[in-house]
Amino acid sequence: DADVTQTPRNRITKTGKRIMLECSQTKGHDRMYWYRQDPGLGLQLIYYSFDVKDINKGEISDGYSVSRQAQAKFSLSLESAIPNQTALYFCATSDGQGEEPQHFGDGTRLSIL
Amino acid sequence: ILNVEQSPQSLHVQEGDSTNFTCSFPSSNFYALHWYRWETAKSPEALFVMTLNGDEKKKGRISATLNTKEGYSYLYIKGSQPEDSATYLCAYSGYALNFGKGTSLLVTP
Repeated sequence: DADVTQTPRNRITKTGKRIMLECSQTKGHDRMYWYRQDPGLGLQLIYYSFDVKDINKGEISDGYSVSRQAQAKFSLSLESAIPNQTALYFCATSDGQGEEPQHFGDGTRLSIL
Repeated sequence: ILNVEQSPQSLHVQEGDSTNFTCSFPSSNFYALHWYRWETAKSPEALFVMTLNGDEKKKGRISATLNTKEGYSYLYIKGSQPEDSATYLCAYSGYALNFGKGTSLLVTP
Protein backbone atom coordinates (compact mmCIF):
# COMPACT_ATOMS: atom_id res chain seq x y z
CA ASP A 1 0.00 0.00 0.00
CA ALA A 2 1.13 3.52 -0.74
CA ASP A 3 2.35 5.63 2.18
CA VAL A 4 0.50 8.70 0.88
CA THR A 5 -2.85 7.99 -0.75
CA GLN A 6 -4.90 10.46 -2.73
CA THR A 7 -8.51 9.97 -3.78
CA PRO A 8 -9.88 10.24 -6.35
CA ARG A 9 -7.08 9.73 -8.89
CA ASN A 10 -9.09 11.37 -11.65
CA ARG A 11 -12.15 13.59 -11.58
CA ILE A 12 -14.11 15.42 -14.23
CA THR A 13 -16.74 17.86 -13.02
CA LYS A 14 -18.64 20.98 -14.01
CA THR A 15 -18.13 24.62 -13.19
CA GLY A 16 -19.75 25.61 -9.90
CA LYS A 17 -19.64 22.19 -8.28
CA ARG A 18 -18.10 21.60 -4.86
CA ILE A 19 -15.25 19.12 -4.93
CA MET A 20 -13.23 17.49 -2.21
CA LEU A 21 -9.86 15.84 -2.74
CA GLU A 22 -8.69 13.60 0.04
CA CYS A 23 -5.24 12.66 1.26
CA SER A 24 -4.31 10.10 3.88
CA GLN A 25 -0.89 8.97 5.04
CA THR A 26 0.55 6.09 7.00
CA LYS A 27 3.99 7.63 7.52
CA GLY A 28 3.16 9.22 10.87
CA HIS A 29 4.32 12.63 9.66
CA ASP A 30 2.99 15.81 11.26
CA ARG A 31 3.43 18.03 8.19
CA MET A 32 1.12 17.81 5.20
CA TYR A 33 0.90 19.91 2.04
CA TRP A 34 -1.28 20.44 -1.00
CA TYR A 35 0.26 21.50 -4.32
CA ARG A 36 -1.07 22.03 -7.80
CA GLN A 37 0.89 21.57 -11.00
CA ASP A 38 0.03 23.24 -14.28
CA PRO A 39 1.82 22.54 -17.57
CA GLY A 40 4.99 24.61 -17.81
CA LEU A 41 4.87 25.65 -14.17
CA GLY A 42 6.47 24.24 -11.07
CA LEU A 43 4.58 22.82 -8.13
CA GLN A 44 2.69 25.65 -6.46
CA LEU A 45 1.79 25.44 -2.78
CA ILE A 46 -1.90 25.80 -1.98
CA TYR A 47 -2.08 25.08 1.76
CA TYR A 48 0.07 23.42 4.37
CA SER A 49 -0.39 22.12 7.88
CA PHE A 50 2.31 21.49 10.48
CA ASP A 51 -0.01 19.66 12.84
CA VAL A 52 -3.72 19.02 13.40
CA LYS A 53 -4.36 22.48 14.85
CA ASP A 54 -2.21 24.37 12.37
CA ILE A 55 -3.39 25.44 8.88
CA ASN A 56 -1.51 27.91 6.68
CA LYS A 57 -2.15 29.46 3.30
CA GLY A 58 0.33 28.91 0.54
CA GLU A 59 1.01 31.06 -2.48
CA ILE A 60 -2.24 30.24 -4.36
CA SER A 61 -4.90 29.57 -1.71
CA ASP A 62 -7.71 31.66 -3.22
CA GLY A 63 -10.67 29.47 -4.20
CA TYR A 64 -9.52 26.59 -2.00
CA SER A 65 -10.03 25.49 1.59
CA VAL A 66 -8.60 22.64 3.63
CA SER A 67 -9.42 20.51 6.61
CA ARG A 68 -6.97 18.57 8.78
CA GLN A 69 -9.27 15.97 10.27
CA ALA A 70 -6.51 13.98 11.95
CA GLN A 71 -2.74 13.66 11.81
CA ALA A 72 -3.17 11.23 8.93
CA LYS A 73 -5.80 13.09 6.89
CA PHE A 74 -5.71 16.38 5.01
CA SER A 75 -8.52 17.29 2.60
CA LEU A 76 -8.61 19.99 -0.05
CA SER A 77 -11.93 21.52 -1.12
CA LEU A 78 -12.90 23.61 -4.09
CA GLU A 79 -16.10 25.31 -2.94
CA SER A 80 -17.23 26.36 -6.40
CA ALA A 81 -14.98 24.93 -9.06
CA ILE A 82 -13.93 27.02 -12.06
CA PRO A 83 -12.16 25.89 -15.26
CA ASN A 84 -8.80 27.48 -14.38
CA GLN A 85 -8.59 25.13 -11.42
CA THR A 86 -8.11 22.30 -13.88
CA ALA A 87 -4.72 20.89 -12.88
CA LEU A 88 -2.82 18.00 -11.35
CA TYR A 89 -3.02 18.13 -7.55
CA PHE A 90 -0.48 16.55 -5.22
CA CYS A 91 -0.56 15.91 -1.52
CA ALA A 92 2.75 15.54 0.31
CA THR A 93 3.98 14.86 3.83
CA SER A 94 7.21 15.49 5.68
CA ASP A 95 8.69 14.76 9.06
CA GLY A 96 9.93 17.86 10.83
CA GLN A 97 11.84 20.79 9.39
CA GLY A 98 12.79 21.69 5.83
CA GLU A 99 15.83 19.44 5.82
CA GLU A 100 13.56 16.41 5.60
CA PRO A 101 12.37 15.26 2.15
CA GLN A 102 8.72 15.44 1.20
CA HIS A 103 6.81 12.29 0.27
CA PHE A 104 4.20 12.69 -2.44
CA GLY A 105 0.97 10.92 -3.27
CA ASP A 106 0.27 9.78 -6.82
CA GLY A 107 -1.72 12.90 -7.65
CA THR A 108 -5.31 13.73 -8.57
CA ARG A 109 -5.97 14.87 -12.12
CA LEU A 110 -8.90 17.29 -11.95
CA SER A 111 -10.75 18.61 -15.00
CA ILE A 112 -13.41 21.27 -14.66
CA LEU A 113 -15.62 21.82 -17.67
CA ILE B 1 7.56 33.88 -2.95
CA LEU B 2 11.19 32.84 -3.41
CA ASN B 3 12.43 32.54 -6.96
CA VAL B 4 13.95 29.19 -7.87
CA GLU B 5 15.25 28.95 -11.42
CA GLN B 6 16.22 25.77 -13.24
CA SER B 7 18.10 25.43 -16.51
CA PRO B 8 17.90 24.15 -19.09
CA GLN B 9 14.13 23.73 -19.35
CA SER B 10 14.60 20.53 -21.33
CA LEU B 11 17.46 18.34 -22.45
CA HIS B 12 17.75 15.48 -24.93
CA VAL B 13 20.85 13.27 -24.73
CA GLN B 14 21.98 9.94 -26.09
CA GLU B 15 22.41 6.88 -23.91
CA GLY B 16 25.85 6.95 -22.33
CA ASP B 17 26.21 10.74 -22.35
CA SER B 18 26.84 12.52 -19.08
CA THR B 19 24.78 15.57 -18.36
CA ASN B 20 24.19 18.23 -15.76
CA PHE B 21 21.58 20.83 -14.89
CA THR B 22 21.49 23.91 -12.72
CA CYS B 23 19.26 25.19 -9.96
CA SER B 24 19.66 28.76 -8.72
CA PHE B 25 18.01 30.06 -5.57
CA PRO B 26 18.17 33.00 -3.16
CA SER B 27 21.44 32.88 -1.25
CA SER B 28 20.14 34.74 1.79
CA ASN B 29 18.55 32.89 4.73
CA PHE B 30 19.39 29.53 3.24
CA TYR B 31 17.94 26.48 4.99
CA ALA B 32 17.95 23.49 2.63
CA LEU B 33 17.90 22.60 -1.06
CA HIS B 34 15.98 19.57 -2.33
CA TRP B 35 16.23 17.61 -5.58
CA TYR B 36 13.36 15.40 -6.77
CA ARG B 37 12.98 13.09 -9.72
CA TRP B 38 9.54 12.99 -11.34
CA GLU B 39 8.73 10.33 -13.88
CA THR B 40 5.68 10.67 -16.11
CA ALA B 41 2.48 9.33 -14.50
CA LYS B 42 4.23 8.91 -11.15
CA SER B 43 4.78 11.09 -8.11
CA PRO B 44 7.95 13.10 -7.42
CA GLU B 45 10.54 11.16 -5.43
CA ALA B 46 13.24 12.72 -3.30
CA LEU B 47 16.81 12.35 -4.55
CA PHE B 48 18.77 14.59 -2.21
CA VAL B 49 18.33 17.13 0.56
CA MET B 50 21.38 19.34 0.99
CA THR B 51 21.99 21.78 3.80
CA LEU B 52 25.68 22.71 3.96
CA ASN B 53 27.70 24.89 1.63
CA GLY B 54 30.05 22.64 -0.33
CA ASP B 55 27.85 19.59 0.23
CA GLU B 56 28.17 16.89 -2.37
CA LYS B 57 25.80 13.94 -2.41
CA LYS B 58 25.73 10.86 -4.61
CA LYS B 59 23.24 8.10 -5.38
CA GLY B 60 24.46 5.65 -8.00
CA ARG B 61 25.20 7.58 -11.19
CA ILE B 62 23.51 10.76 -9.93
CA SER B 63 25.28 13.35 -7.83
CA ALA B 64 24.63 16.90 -6.70
CA THR B 65 26.66 19.80 -5.39
CA LEU B 66 25.64 22.86 -3.42
CA ASN B 67 26.97 26.43 -3.24
CA THR B 68 24.90 28.39 -0.75
CA LYS B 69 27.04 31.54 -0.94
CA GLU B 70 26.34 32.11 -4.61
CA GLY B 71 22.96 30.35 -4.60
CA TYR B 72 23.28 27.43 -6.99
CA SER B 73 23.22 23.66 -7.09
CA TYR B 74 24.23 21.30 -9.89
CA LEU B 75 22.78 17.86 -10.56
CA TYR B 76 25.00 15.50 -12.56
CA ILE B 77 24.07 12.24 -14.25
CA LYS B 78 26.97 10.10 -15.39
CA GLY B 79 26.41 7.75 -18.31
CA SER B 80 22.72 8.55 -18.83
CA GLN B 81 20.35 5.64 -19.39
CA PRO B 82 16.83 5.69 -20.90
CA GLU B 83 15.40 5.00 -17.44
CA ASP B 84 16.86 8.35 -16.30
CA SER B 85 14.29 10.10 -18.49
CA ALA B 86 12.22 12.22 -16.11
CA THR B 87 11.70 15.76 -14.91
CA TYR B 88 14.18 16.82 -12.24
CA LEU B 89 12.86 19.36 -9.76
CA CYS B 90 14.78 21.42 -7.30
CA ALA B 91 13.16 23.15 -4.35
CA TYR B 92 14.39 25.74 -1.86
CA SER B 93 13.26 25.25 1.70
CA GLY B 94 11.80 28.18 3.59
CA TYR B 95 8.67 27.66 5.71
CA ALA B 96 7.63 25.29 2.93
CA LEU B 97 9.25 24.20 -0.31
CA ASN B 98 9.48 26.58 -3.26
CA PHE B 99 9.86 24.56 -6.43
CA GLY B 100 11.51 25.42 -9.71
CA LYS B 101 9.79 24.52 -12.97
CA GLY B 102 12.06 21.54 -13.50
CA THR B 103 14.40 20.25 -16.17
CA SER B 104 12.86 17.63 -18.44
CA LEU B 105 15.44 15.04 -19.47
CA LEU B 106 14.97 12.61 -22.35
CA VAL B 107 17.59 9.90 -22.86
CA THR B 108 17.32 7.98 -26.11
CA PRO B 109 19.05 4.68 -26.91
